[in-house]
Amino acid sequence: GAGVSQSPSNKVTEKGKDVELRCDPISGHTALYWYRQRLGQGLEFLIYFQGNSAPDKSGLPSDRFSAERTGESVSTLTIQRTQQEDSAVYLCASSTGLAGLETQYFGPGTRLLVL
Amino acid sequence: GQQVMQIPQYQHVQEGEDFTTYCNSSTTLSNIQWYKQRPGGHPVFLIQLVKSGEVKKQKRLTFQFGEAKKNSSLHITATQTTDVGTYFCAGRRQGAQKLVFGQGTRLTINP
Repeated sequence: GAGVSQSPSNKVTEKGKDVELRCDPISGHTALYWYRQRLGQGLEFLIYFQGNSAPDKSGLPSDRFSAERTGESVSTLTIQRTQQEDSAVYLCASSTGLAGLETQYFGPGTRLLVL
Repeated sequence: GQQVMQIPQYQHVQEGEDFTTYCNSSTTLSNIQWYKQRPGGHPVFLIQLVKSGEVKKQKRLTFQFGEAKKNSSLHITATQTTDVGTYFCAGRRQGAQKLVFGQGTRLTINP
């Protein structure tokens, strides 16, 4: 594929349900980031994967949030027991992971609405 | 940890006026990048600055990297309605791998 893809593009769920968001990075990109963007706000860093290193989870807002990445490919972000304040666009970005080539390529995002 | 502060948070200008957004890091950066997010879209890479004091231009956009590699600015000359969006800076601290984004400056333009 030419770029980063995310699915679903939109998700409406009820408060208390679990949701799983998927990100397919650009092939060969070792670095992968998840961000949350509330309406009209900036990018809130959630988690960062770099190759086989332990992920940087410092941005996860609570233990209801978790993410996994299989090797250097697909990543899933899981939100358990969703709350209304989780409503936002969740953006995934990937980059080569090489020093000097850290341009992040963003996916179109998943728009999550928790009712 | 590393912080990247960006000001102003919002800027509204008349079409044809100039616009500047500023980015400041709490630590020395290896490089700084700028991204633009159009309304309803996702951030798109504009440029990367690496050298101390570097200045780069893209048409009406001028990007600067400070001498101390702790601050940067984006200046748009004679804004057009197509410049509407949120501009983010992002920097990587020397020795670190993670890129840290500023909060963004949202630019709106009165035609």
